[in-house]
Amino acid sequence: SAVISQKPSRDICQRGTSLTIQCQVDSQVTMMFWYRQQPGQSLTLIATANQGSEATYESGFVIDKFPISRPNLTFSTLTVSNMSPEDSSIYLCSVDGHASTDTQYFGPGTRLTVL
Amino acid sequence: RKEVEQDPGPFNVPEGATVAFNCTYSNSASQSFFWYRQDCRKEPKLLMSVYSSGNEDGRFTAQLNRASQYISLLIRDSKLSDSATYLCAPRRGAGRRALTFGSGTRLQVQP
Repeated sequence: SAVISQKPSRDICQRGTSLTIQCQVDSQVTMMFWYRQQPGQSLTLIATANQGSEATYESGFVIDKFPISRPNLTFSTLTVSNMSPEDSSIYLCSVDGHASTDTQYFGPGTRLTVL
Repeated sequence: RKEVEQDPGPFNVPEGATVAFNCTYSNSASQSFFWYRQDCRKEPKLLMSVYSSGNEDGRFTAQLNRASQYISLLIRDSKLSDSATYLCAPRRGAGRRALTFGSGTRLQVQP
């Protein structure tokens, strides 16, 4: 299975500021995904990040609010911009496993609280 | 209608009980299906994949019914450590690799 790390693991931020979350994978992967899990809710896909191309955003999520970088096949960042308390959530990155396994693995998540 | 629907529970069962969860999905293009387990304040962990022929892993059995568009998870001989939220997650299909998650079913196994 892929080993995924995220930084920071948690943060408390002031409204109006921005936070960049990093996701590092121990092997090269084509696709990386960013999900959000709001308190008491299930996971919602924010965007799919492909190396060498623009991220693909889901309905309700826009690049200005959640810019994503994917500079290589093992790393991606998600920025939460101009934060409000409604952005308080757990942000998780995920990757597909090896092609033969057809699975998807998740990082440990970043717990964000916006005051 | 939600794309993926699960009974939120909670299912409160005694140790040793057999419990089953169902999940319905609306996207007929989905080809791969997964059950994840999520413990409180932790990331989802893959429990098992679900194949057309069914899949069994120890005390856990997953089945897929494409015609009715639902998948199921059966847990036999429940353990206290099985207490968690179980998330159903079909892949989106049509070339899209992302998952769509259900809201999860909470299981509490009691001594």
